[in-house]
Amino acid sequence: NAGVTQTPKFQVLKTGQSMTLQCAQDMNHNSMYWYRQDPGMGLRLIYYSASEGTTDKGEVPNGYNVSRLNKREFSLRLESAAPSQTSVYFCASRDRTSYGYTFGSGTRLTVV
Amino acid sequence: QQPVQSPQAVILREGEDAVINCSSSKALYSVHWYRQKHGEAPVFLMILLKGGEQKGHEKISASFNEKKQQSSLYLTASQLSYSGTYFCGTEEGPNTGNQFYFGTGTSLTVIP
Repeated sequence: NAGVTQTPKFQVLKTGQSMTLQCAQDMNHNSMYWYRQDPGMGLRLIYYSASEGTTDKGEVPNGYNVSRLNKREFSLRLESAAPSQTSVYFCASRDRTSYGYTFGSGTRLTVV
Repeated sequence: QQPVQSPQAVILREGEDAVINCSSSKALYSVHWYRQKHGEAPVFLMILLKGGEQKGHEKISASFNEKKQQSSLYLTASQLSYSGTYFCGTEEGPNTGNQFYFGTGTSLTVIP
């Protein structure tokens, strides 16, 4: 039982390059989330998907797009990376509201 | 909407107790607590739902005062393994995917 799996773990991009962060969960959770974590700012929601086929913006969606491919997979795409997008990205999933979030191990992204 | 945590940092000796506070200006439905060790993903500790119930998890427990929109995390007889950053997260209702906010964290260091 792997939980939430993210790839890649590390990535360095040049400004203007694009990339997709992959996330998959095997817990049959309906809701999936993408967060970014920056020093001193905690975790901020980028996008989330309440269920398969739906996505919605979070607090900091600019510069990102998402795709809920199926119930298991939720990807995050940076179309044209900027240095401000240097961060640690976490994917998370959640079941009923009585339970907490399960996080993936994170992707450390550096944009130069 | 981001909850405020205090203190920002605390250093303890093994065996000492600590309290971490989380407060919100909004009426809350639930409060979550997570612990994150350096370089790792946040790990869910517990959730407290509206109703003021106190929860326990070994020597870590928490309370939720819904009248004051405050929650406190209690760590008793601290162990070296308790070191990390503790985050609270708050939501104002069930199924509010993009209305969940993490605090900025409290760094806890336990020394021998």
